Amino acid sequence: GAGVSQSPRYKVTKRGQDVALRCDPISGHVSLYWYRQALGQGPEFLTYFNYEAQQDKSGLPNDRFSAERPEGSISTLTIQRTEQRDSAMYRCASSPETGTGVFQYQETQYFGPGTRLLVL
Amino acid sequence: GQQVMQIPQYQHVQEGEDFTTYCNSSTTLSNIQWYKQRPGGHPVFLIQLVKSGEVKKQKRLTFQFGEAKKNSSLHITATQTTDVGTYFCAGRDTGNQFYFGTGTSLTVIP
Repeated sequence: GAGVSQSPRYKVTKRGQDVALRCDPISGHVSLYWYRQALGQGPEFLTYFNYEAQQDKSGLPNDRFSAERPEGSISTLTIQRTEQRDSAMYRCASSPETGTGVFQYQETQYFGPGTRLLVL
Repeated sequence: GQQVMQIPQYQHVQEGEDFTTYCNSSTTLSNIQWYKQRPGGHPVFLIQLVKSGEVKKQKRLTFQFGEAKKNSSLHITATQTTDVGTYFCAGRDTGNQFYFGTGTSLTVIP
């Protein structure tokens, strides 16, 4: 597609339910990043993948959060037993570069529109 | 832990005035990127700087990476209403961790 897409755009759920957020990166992009962004703040790194391999999950808040990218393309961020504090905008970004520290390459990240999650 | 702070947090300027936002990292960065996020939108990549002391220009925007690679600045000359938004710096530290700054929200008064 033309850009990064995310679904659903809005998700309202009850506390304790599981949610799955989907990210469809730009075709051919190697890296895929997940962020959480609270209103008025910068994106907070959660995790990222190079191809299908999860490179860094140090930003995941706790073990209720998990992510996968089984075929190196679409990724799913899953939040189990949601809590009200999980309410936020969840953003996905993809990049044509691997983000492995080869810094001479342009590590442009292309962001999707985000999924607004509200946990009641 | 790593922190990437930006100042000011908010800035209101009259159209035509200049604007500068500063980005400061607690540790050395391997690269620095700048993004612009319009109200209700998503972050959009502006530029990446890699070299110590590097300066890059995009029309009215000037980006600078500090000599110590721990700070950066974005300067906009003669602001326009289209410049409204939040400007984020983002950097990768030498441990390959990627961080976004706290952002500077720019309001341009016509």
